[in-house]
Amino acid sequence: QQQVKQSPQSLIVQKGGISIINCAYENTAFDYFPWYQQFPGKGPALLIAIRPDVSEKKEGRFTISFNKSAKQFSLHIMDSQPGDSATYFCAASIYRGWGGKLIFGQGTELSVKP
Amino acid sequence: NAGVTQTPKFRVLKTGQSMTLLCAQDMNHEYMYWYRQDPGMGLRLIHYSVGEGTTAKGEVPDGYNVSRLKKQNFLLGLESAAPSQTSVYFCASSPLQGTGELFFGEGSRLTVL
Repeated sequence: QQQVKQSPQSLIVQKGGISIINCAYENTAFDYFPWYQQFPGKGPALLIAIRPDVSEKKEGRFTISFNKSAKQFSLHIMDSQPGDSATYFCAASIYRGWGGKLIFGQGTELSVKP
Repeated sequence: NAGVTQTPKFRVLKTGQSMTLLCAQDMNHEYMYWYRQDPGMGLRLIHYSVGEGTTAKGEVPDGYNVSRLKKQNFLLGLESAAPSQTSVYFCASSPLQGTGELFFGEGSRLTVL
């Protein structure tokens, strides 16, 4: 029940296209859903996060869509750029509880072709 | 601003050897975490600490021990390394009253032969 399932495992998108990564969770107590971006040789870094009081959050070209009833959330990258090529992880947690720990999805390796 | 620093960055061990990974953070964060990253498995929590002198098990704690004797340091130990522990290890920290963001180090690549 603690799992977060992420798909696809890898994604190739043309420059200017839309990248979509999906995640699903089981634990209904989760109420904090961040996305992390990781470049080769680096640690993950927070990209954008959402709490379930809203169904969508947008920051620049990055948007999280959240469906509480389906227990799913997704990351949309609009106008994808080669610099967006990285590994993306979704995660889930209990906000300000649970020791702050995150349960991560399996990761998606995104490649944006020029 | 060092942030989260992990040492060593690379290490090769033989099966049965022991070693300790050191994580140091200079942000005065209460919470610290050790994750391992394996292809297709994402990041899995090994152990974590909610404050100096406290530790707790995560998703995959077997074969590892941890200590948090000082607030700024979180040590991950392997008493008898196994090839299954070949992985990239990440340390992270977060503040007690933060936004939920975890701040990660750059990782330690461990190979067990």
